[in-house]
Amino acid sequence: SAVISQKPSRDICQRGTSLTIQCQVDSQVTMMFWYRQQPGQSLTLIATANQGSEATYESGFVIDKFPISRPNLTFSTLTVSNMSPEDSSIYLCSVDGQGVNIQYFGAGTRLSVL
Amino acid sequence: GENVEQHPSTLSVQEGDSAVIKCTYSDSASNYFPWYKQELGKGPQLIIDIRSNVGEKKDQRIAVTLNKTAKHFSLHITETQPEDSAVYFCAASWGTLTFGKGTMLLVSP
Repeated sequence: SAVISQKPSRDICQRGTSLTIQCQVDSQVTMMFWYRQQPGQSLTLIATANQGSEATYESGFVIDKFPISRPNLTFSTLTVSNMSPEDSSIYLCSVDGQGVNIQYFGAGTRLSVL
Repeated sequence: GENVEQHPSTLSVQEGDSAVIKCTYSDSASNYFPWYKQELGKGPQLIIDIRSNVGEKKDQRIAVTLNKTAKHFSLHITETQPEDSAVYFCAASWGTLTFGKGTMLLVSP
C-alpha cells in the first residue's frame, strides 16, 4: 500500500481564516480523494482530484469553499476557506491503490475552528 | 445514489469472543466492498475487501461474507483481542466509496 503523509496533522484556526492541507504520497497515483469526517461521524467525500484537470466536487461541496490543487501525480492540497466553527472536522486524503476502487488513507488533519 | 446502513453502532465483547458487524447497501450496481479499521487519532486502515464475484474471503482472524441477492455483507472477527478495539467502517462502491456510519468495537480483557 502507498505511504501517505498529511500536513498539518492538526490545527486550531480562527473564524474567517483559511487553511491549506497538504497530501503527499510516496508513489505516483492517478486519483486522489479528499474526505471530511465530522466528530464521531462517517466519512463524506468532498472531491476527487486528478492530475491535470479540475477537481470533481460532490453534492454540497463547492470549489469556492474547498479549492483543490493537484499539480502532479504525488501531491495535492485542499484549502478550507473562510472557516467557521462548522468546519471543525477531520480532513482525510486518500489515494487509489493497486486495484479497481481500492483506496488508502492518510492519517488526517484534525481542524478546530474557534 | 448509494446508501449504506451499518449495524450495530457499538459492540462490546470479551477477549476471545467473536464479533460480527453487518452492512446493507442499496445500489445493486455496487461491486466492491471494503472494510476499514480506524483507531483513535489515526486514518482509516483497509483491513479486508471483497468483490461481487466472491461470496467469502478470509484473512487470518477476519473474514467478510457477501450476499448479493440480499445486498448485505458482514465482517467477522474471531478470537478478538484488545487491540481489535477501534471503529470499523464498511463501504460500497461501483465508482466512489460510500461509507456506513461505523461500529465502535470494544474488546474487554
